[in-house]
Amino acid sequence: SYVLTQPPSVSVAPGKTARITCGGNNIGSKSVHWYQQKPGQAPVLGIYYDSDRPSGIPERFSGSNSGNTATLTISGVEAGDEADYYCQVWDSSSDHVVFGGGTKLTVL
Amino acid sequence: EVQLVESGGGLVQPGGSLRLSCAASGFTFSSYWMHWVRQAPGKGLVWVSRISSDGSSTTYADSVKGRFTISRDNARNTVYLQMNSLRADDTAVYYCARGEGAVAGLWGQGTLVTVSS
Repeated sequence: SYVLTQPPSVSVAPGKTARITCGGNNIGSKSVHWYQQKPGQAPVLGIYYDSDRPSGIPERFSGSNSGNTATLTISGVEAGDEADYYCQVWDSSSDHVVFGGGTKLTVL
Repeated sequence: EVQLVESGGGLVQPGGSLRLSCAASGFTFSSYWMHWVRQAPGKGLVWVSRISSDGSSTTYADSVKGRFTISRDNARNTVYLQMNSLRADDTAVYYCARGEGAVAGLWGQGTLVTVSS
């Protein structure tokens, strides 16, 4: 089955840029979606189809996907961005949805 | 208001059964695939199952295949998850999510299932 690998944690100072990676075999050939989950809340879609933003998501959030790595980039990080972030793809070979293990973003 | 509201969670003994419901409102329910995703305490998101917009196609994670059944009633704007032969490792918050392709664009608030004797 397809596996997505995320770093367990990323730390960044306020105002700096955070980059959260999502690794998978030839993930660049798949569409990657990102979700933000704050403590005690349901996940929220942050980025879809690699780099599109739903309405209401700040332009500070962007995504890219190439080769074996997809990346969620958060520019000008704010305290309110502190959350868990999950990448997700659809694996056509198994017809399963797959989530990465999640990355906890800490704002220093 | 566009929303999903799950219900039916609770405490159940190992080997028992539970049926979760997810009521949709504010959008054309019959146009969307629906997913169930779970999250064990302190752990990450795990996809469980999905159903096509007309209910004709279903898919399951290997960990629940043969024990869980997803279904929907488009007249009632509701998707269900029938869970049988429950095990301790099924303990989790269960979320339903609206599928826009493979994208889970709208999530409910979740319902907690605890499997314990």
